Amino acid sequence: GAVVSQHPSRVICKSGTSVKIECRSLDFQATTMFWYRQFPKKSLMLMATSNEGSKATYEQGVEKDKFLINHASLTLSTLTVTSAHPEDSSFYICSARVGGSGSPLHFGNGTRLTVT
Amino acid sequence: AQSVTQLDSHVSVSEGTPVLLRCNYSSSYSPSLFWYVQHPNKGLQLLLKYTSAATLVKGINGFEAEFKKSETSFHLTKPSAHMSDAAEYFCVVSGLTNRDDKIIFGKGTRLHILP
Repeated sequence: GAVVSQHPSRVICKSGTSVKIECRSLDFQATTMFWYRQFPKKSLMLMATSNEGSKATYEQGVEKDKFLINHASLTLSTLTVTSAHPEDSSFYICSARVGGSGSPLHFGNGTRLTVT
Repeated sequence: AQSVTQLDSHVSVSEGTPVLLRCNYSSSYSPSLFWYVQHPNKGLQLLLKYTSAATLVKGINGFEAEFKKSETSFHLTKPSAHMSDAAEYFCVVSGLTNRDDKIIFGKGTRLHILP
């Protein structure tokens, strides 16, 4: 149980275009979803926290107009990288959680974004 | 300040020998603690969790961890390493304060298994 599906696993796009990444909880309802960015050989950096039906909470230094997050249902959150630039190339990982701080995170398999 | 420290960025062990990955945390309240494993280009998989029940927690793939409040530690161990254990391991702490639900990741420990 507690499977999180993230799609696509890899995407290559040209500078200036937008890319949408989907994160779905397959067998549970996720009240909270988190979006992370991971640089090579580094830990995860939290970008934003999204709660179903409300606006996402972005971490300091993350541009909310560039990284659009939508959490329209209890099983789906999307991250759209708008006007992508090569420096946006990275590994993006979503996670979902049911309940509060004592509950574990369930992670998607990540999306490797390459902007050319 | 709340924090999570993984004391070793890299650990190398021979196949069949014990594994010890160290994690220390600082907190003013009782935290929830987790260990996750990440294989290359994959998401993170939960190995085990501690949420104020038994201090010795058993997880998947033969891993276990012991919560020691006096030492503020939550070290991950496995009696006998397998080649498939080679991966990145993250110690994660959440709920470190009672007014702010924070999830804090350690910087990770890369485990290398020598044949």
